[in-house]
Order: sequence, then C-alpha cells, then structure tokens
Amino acid sequence: AQSVAQPEDQVNVAEGNPLTVKCTYSVSGNPYLFWYVQYPNRGLQFLLKYITGDNLVKGSYGFEAEFNKSQTSFHLKKPSALVSDSALYFCAEGAFTGGGNKLTFGTGTQLKVEL
Amino acid sequence: GAGVSQSPSNKVTEKGKDVELRCDPISGHTALYWYRQRLGQGLEFLIYFQGNSAPDKSGLPSDRFSAERTGESVSTLTIQRTQQEDSAVYLCASSLAIRVEQFFGPGTRLTVL
Repeated sequence: AQSVAQPEDQVNVAEGNPLTVKCTYSVSGNPYLFWYVQYPNRGLQFLLKYITGDNLVKGSYGFEAEFNKSQTSFHLKKPSALVSDSALYFCAEGAFTGGGNKLTFGTGTQLKVEL
Repeated sequence: GAGVSQSPSNKVTEKGKDVELRCDPISGHTALYWYRQRLGQGLEFLIYFQGNSAPDKSGLPSDRFSAERTGESVSTLTIQRTQQEDSAVYLCASSLAIRVEQFFGPGTRLTVL
C-alpha cells in the first residue's frame, strides 16, 4: 500500500530564511507527487507536481520541490520565506488505477514563518 | 472561472440522522473525487467518478456511505445513520483528466452530536 510520510508536524522559520518541508513516499517505480497548501478555513490549493522530467519542479508562490528517487523524497523548498507562507502543507502521491487518480496524503506539516 | 463549490459549508446533525453533502465541480472536469479530513489528520480518499465509468468506491469506510454523480456534473455524498466518528471535513475535488492536479472545494464541516 502507498504511504506518504511528513516527518515534521511543525516547521518554524524566520522570514527571509530558506524553508524546507520534508516528504518521503513509498511507491517504487515512477511516482506521481504533489504538494498542496491549506490556509485556515479554505480548501487545499495546488502548489506543484512531479510527473516526469526534471527533478527540480517549480510551482506557485515561489515554491519548488526536489524529487530524489534514491532517497524516495520530494521535499518542498522556498529560498526566502514570507509570513504569508504560514499554512498547513500536504504532500500527496497519486495512484493511477482503474482510470482514476487516488491521492494518498501525508498528515501535513504546519509551517510557521515568524518576523 | 468558478472553482469547485460545496454545500453546505457547515452541517451539525444528531447521531443516527442521514446527511447529504453536495459538490459542484469545475465545468468540464470529467473526474470528481471525495476525501475526508479528520481533525489533525491527512486526507483519506473515499470515492471517485471518472466520466461514465463505474465509480471507484474502495475508500468508503462503511455501507452507510454512498455517493452519486449525474453525468459530469453535481455529486452528492450521503451518510446514513451518522455516527460521531463521521465528524470531519468532507472535501470534494475535480480534475480535467486523471494525470493532472485536482482542484479542491472549501469542504463541508460535518459535526455529529
């Protein structure tokens, strides 16, 4: 069975500093990986995805993620954090079976960016 | 254009009652998904619909849960004889095809007393 691990419940970082939110996945072969962000009282917003191609994926709001097959990781990064980046971040892995894409989500990482 | 919408935004019900949650996907999106998000946890897949294919119901936690979708439009998730453990945020998502990102609605927060 697929599983996605986000080992940190919370990440604290100072504004202007680089941030990393960690994610590891379980499936072998060629995974389909996604990052979503959830702001309070709002639905999930898509940030970026890895399907194939370059290991460094660029997404919305200046975020990027690096796919590392040998470490089965897909960490989310941003060179310079903003207070407005504070939110709940979910990593997800897609399973394309039977004509659909069932996403398996991690438990989420709360990012807090402080002045 | 309009995103995925869900109604109601909040629903409080008594244990044993039936509830119906509605999802309006983005127009033209052939795939529609339902997920459940319990407090402090990640999202759990419940069911998806893809065009006219038979839905994948493998994530439904019990036979009290069911969902329908008319063509490529509105979907309803029905929970019969609600239990307190059904309390969660129910999220709907849609996508243009299966190998692309899903767009999520704001969710319905269900509280079972």
